[in-house]
Amino acid sequence: NAGVTQTPKFQVLKTGQSMTLQCAQDMNHEYMSWYRQDPGMGLRLIHYSVGAGITDQGEVPNGYNVSRSTTEDFPLRLLSAAPSQTSVYFCASSRRGGPNEKLFFGSGTQLSVL
Amino acid sequence: GENVEQHPSTLSVQEGDSAVIKCTYSDSASNYFPWYKQELGKRPQLIIDIRSNVGEKKDQRIAVTLNKTAKHFSLHITETQPEDSAVYFCAASIGYGQNFVFGPGTRLSVLP
Repeated sequence: NAGVTQTPKFQVLKTGQSMTLQCAQDMNHEYMSWYRQDPGMGLRLIHYSVGAGITDQGEVPNGYNVSRSTTEDFPLRLLSAAPSQTSVYFCASSRRGGPNEKLFFGSGTQLSVL
Repeated sequence: GENVEQHPSTLSVQEGDSAVIKCTYSDSASNYFPWYKQELGKRPQLIIDIRSNVGEKKDQRIAVTLNKTAKHFSLHITETQPEDSAVYFCAASIGYGQNFVFGPGTRLSVLP
């Protein structure tokens, strides 16, 4: 199993550009989520999905879109990148059992918006 | 909504000493509290967790305690080693299932 795979690892964008961060998992996990990590602020939940076709907003959803057409994939779209979206982005997945199901993280995408 | 505070933000200890990191949470509905370790440039990895119906859990040199009444939980690392140097995050469950609010992190440095 590859686990949770994120691409790209690094990305530089100009303000106003759009892009998609890819996330895929091969563990047949129902639950997937996106977090952003900023210095001194821990990880903050952007969007999450409890299964194919179902998505919902987290703590900081503005400026991001998600979709979940398959169990395996959960891409994160930046519609019009802003410098405030400079961050490290982590995708995570887990089984949809209960609150103590282990969360598996991807290796992260470091995004810089100039 | 849930708010998780974490202290200290940085912690330096001598190798072999103990380290304690403390977190508080605000939502009494939170019932699961994982701790993550993140080495520089790596992904967060779960090191220990505790459910709200348990007061303490131990795994070798790592232990976590939970005080539901006071809404705080702590990570204890004994006999620290240089490889324990990392950023540690506490988290509290919110809403449905696997959503979490994370603390801001503690940078632990173990000095040889």
